[in-house]
Amino acid sequence: AQSVTQPDIHITVSEGASLELRCNYSYGATPYLFWYVQSPGQGLQLLLKYFSGDTLVQGIKGFEAEFKRSQSSFNLRKPSVHWSDAAEYFCAVGRPGGSQGNLIFGKGTKLSVKP
Amino acid sequence: EAGVTQFPSHSVIEKGQTVTLRCDPISGHDNLYWYRRVMGKEIKFLLHFVKESKQDESGMPNNRFLAERTGGTYSTLKVQPAELEDSGVYFCASSQAGTTGYTFGSGTRLTVV
Repeated sequence: AQSVTQPDIHITVSEGASLELRCNYSYGATPYLFWYVQSPGQGLQLLLKYFSGDTLVQGIKGFEAEFKRSQSSFNLRKPSVHWSDAAEYFCAVGRPGGSQGNLIFGKGTKLSVKP
Repeated sequence: EAGVTQFPSHSVIEKGQTVTLRCDPISGHDNLYWYRRVMGKEIKFLLHFVKESKQDESGMPNNRFLAERTGGTYSTLKVQPAELEDSGVYFCASSQAGTTGYTFGSGTRLTVV
């Protein structure tokens, strides 16, 4: 069955520290991969996406993610966290190809940032 | 460009009542999606419109849920009658034809008491 696992429900990091949020997926083929962020009271904002090519993807707000096929992972990283990064982060997979399809989401990781 | 707009932002209703959620997608976006997040669970797909046609409604939980998109513009999601387990955040998203990666609305938080 297709699924996305985000093993960390809640992570707390100090401002200025590095961050890595884990995401593993189960899918029949290499899917399209996404990271979304939801700040309080806001909608889901796309941070970055991977379709093919370079396995290190740069996104907005200084985030990057690395696709590792052998590990079925797509971990999100940021070298230095800012207080405004406190939010909930969702990893998602979608059907590859040009056609639209629904996304499968992980349960999310809530990030808290200590001053 | 205006984003995806959802109304209302919050709704509290009693069990057995009817609620209608509305989504206004980005102008020109043919694809419109509804998702739902029940507390503590994943965000789950409900259905997908292409213009006014239902492309995929495999995620709709039961026949108490009715989605429409008349004229291929805004969409409504009606829950009738509402049950306690329908509580959650309902997200709408839209995208242009041939693209991947949606724009989501800020969601409607539905509480059934």
